[in-house]
Amino acid sequence: NAGVTQTPKFQVLKTGQSMTLQCAQDMNHEYMSWYRQDPGMGLRLIHYSVGAGITDQGEVPNGYNVSRSTTEDFPLRLLSAAPSQTSVYFCASGGGGGELFFGEGSRLTVL
Amino acid sequence: GIQVEQSPPDLILQEGANSTLRCNFSDSVNNLQWFHQNPWGQLINLFYIPSGTKQNGRLSATTVATERYSLLYISSSQTTDSGVYFCASNTGNQFYFGTGTSLTVIP
Repeated sequence: NAGVTQTPKFQVLKTGQSMTLQCAQDMNHEYMSWYRQDPGMGLRLIHYSVGAGITDQGEVPNGYNVSRSTTEDFPLRLLSAAPSQTSVYFCASGGGGGELFFGEGSRLTVL
Repeated sequence: GIQVEQSPPDLILQEGANSTLRCNFSDSVNNLQWFHQNPWGQLINLFYIPSGTKQNGRLSATTVATERYSLLYISSSQTTDSGVYFCASNTGNQFYFGTGTSLTVIP
């Protein structure tokens, strides 16, 4: 009963490096999404997907890419990391009823 | 997008006290949810409550969709209730979160 699984939990990057945050869900949810959480700002939507092959931008998409090749997986890519991308990232999935379920988060530091 | 306002921003309670947290929305309330972020950073689902009232143990929630607000009640608070409480709703496929209420329960 894994739910939503994110990896890695912690990552330190240097400015300009690239990386991928992985997200997988085993609930057969069509909806998946990525958020970043910064102090005092709550959670802000980066990108979301309503099914395999379909992605769209949220509030803060700049600097991030996503793809959705399967129902289960929704990776988030940082092509050239910047210090402003230091944050905690959460992946969430949702079923047809609209309720969201979150992974445990990934803490990213960009030096 | 939707503006989500949570109050109070910070709350300190003595163990055993009751509290009410509020969430106001600038637009129609759809799939309203309440979450608890524990001190380890995990986001725990508390209630999925687009309208009406639900109860789960010492916690209950009420959403009045026509007036665009929701309330979370915590009774007989315990130290394990400490953390940040978030509400969220959506417009279309985009979910919007408040900035949270930070609750500290003192033994």
